[in-house]
Amino acid sequence: NAGVTQTPKFQVLKTGQSMTLQCAQDMNHNSMYWYRQDPGMGLRLIYYSASEGTTDKGEVPNGYNVSRLNKREFSLRLESAAPSQTSVYFCASNPPGTSGAYEQYFGPGTRLTVT
Amino acid sequence: AQSVAQPEDQVNVAEGNPLTVKCTYSVSGNPYLFWYVQYPNRGLQFLLKYITGDNLVKGSYGFEAEFNKSQTSFHLKKPSALVSDSALYFCAVRDRRNFNKFYFGSGTKLNVKP
Repeated sequence: NAGVTQTPKFQVLKTGQSMTLQCAQDMNHNSMYWYRQDPGMGLRLIYYSASEGTTDKGEVPNGYNVSRLNKREFSLRLESAAPSQTSVYFCASNPPGTSGAYEQYFGPGTRLTVT
Repeated sequence: AQSVAQPEDQVNVAEGNPLTVKCTYSVSGNPYLFWYVQYPNRGLQFLLKYITGDNLVKGSYGFEAEFNKSQTSFHLKKPSALVSDSALYFCAVRDRRNFNKFYFGSGTKLNVKP
C-alpha cells in the first residue's frame, strides 16, 4: 500500500495562475480532507469529502475548489492563486466507520509558493 | 468556539530525561483525542489516541498520554527522551457529533539535546 500520495511535492506559482493539487489513497477510505499548514497555526481544514460524490467546506475554503473524482482521488484547485495561499498543503483520509474513533492518515504534503 | 491549545511553542529536554508536551482543549461533548508527530518535510504520523476507558493511553515509540476530563487536558509524555524524538508534535481533537470536524493545536517543537 502506498497510503496517501500527493502531487506535486513542490510548486511555485505567480499571482493569478491556477493549479490543481492531486491526492489519492489506496486504503479504501471513505472520507478525505484537505488541510493547509502555516507556521504557528497548526492545520486548518479547507474542504472535506465524507464520501464519494459529496464535498463540504471546512474552516478556510475561500479561494479553493475541490473535486472528489472517485473513491480514491480528491483534488484541490486554486483558480487564481494569491500570495496568502503560500502554504504547505496536506491531504488526509480516514477509515470508514460510524464511531469516529479512527485516526487520519496523511500524505507527504505539497509546498506551494505564490509570488 | 471550539479550540485546542498547545501552550508551549517549544520544549527542550536532555536525552534520557522525561518529557511532557501539553495540550488542553475546549470542544464540547466528550471528543476523541489524538497526538500526531511531524518530522521535517514529512506528513503527520499518528502516535496515539484516547477514545474511552483508562485515562493513560500508550502509543508508538514509547509515548503515552494522560487524559484529564476535569482539566480538559491530554498531555503527551515519555519517560526517557531520545534525540530522535526531536520533531513537531500536534494535538488534535475530533468532535463526536460531527466526525469530520477535527481541531488541531498549533504544534509544539520538541528539541532533545544529547
